[in-house]
Amino acid sequence: EVQLVESGGGLVQPGGSLRLSCAASGFTFSSYDMHWVRQATGKGLEWVSAIGNAGDKYYSDSVKGRFTISRENAKNSLYLQMNSLRAGDTAVYYCAREGSGTDAFDIWGQGTMVTVSS
Amino acid sequence: QSALTQPPSVSGSPGQSVTISCTGTSSDFGSYNRVSWYQQPPGTAPKLIIYEVSNRPSGVPDRFSGSKSGNTASLTISGLQAEDEADYYCTSYTSISVVFGGGTKLTVL
Repeated sequence: EVQLVESGGGLVQPGGSLRLSCAASGFTFSSYDMHWVRQATGKGLEWVSAIGNAGDKYYSDSVKGRFTISRENAKNSLYLQMNSLRAGDTAVYYCAREGSGTDAFDIWGQGTMVTVSS
Repeated sequence: QSALTQPPSVSGSPGQSVTISCTGTSSDFGSYNRVSWYQQPPGTAPKLIIYEVSNRPSGVPDRFSGSKSGNTASLTISGLQAEDEADYYCTSYTSISVVFGGGTKLTVL
């Protein structure tokens, strides 16, 4: 079964750091571009970051310079290192697979909650 | 990276059709057909229902269809069913990012 499972969310103080992980299974992880998308409670979806299968990285303006996306193909894992966290970063964070040749997110994880609060 | 514009809400009765619009700029949509739509029932992760403007992934009913004209993409759901009640989001790829619409809540009356 094709699956993505996020972990690493939790409560962190403003200015703190957190590292999210996304474990992939059921497909050749190294062949796919991967993304992080977040959703604040009661709000819409917001694209956060992407990493290509060749390792190229992209970020939204709201997280550029604070968040770092990475992948470890040998472990079928995607990561998001989040530094200098702000209250506005509070959200459910989803990892998503970009379908081959589709420019769309065809597989989503269940999400992990990040709460930034003192 | 401003969001694409969607109506906050739409509604329809079972069996009817509804259309959700998604408006952006030429820089959002470009000359490519890189528009997709997602369905998100309450408390669940989003699900892809349309990609590349009008293509349906396997398993998505043909009641769901997509189109695009100029800088406006549209999702049409025909033969509304109670299970279609959800939030719907459009997205578009630019050269270096992905932009989402603000989301539309579909209520089946």
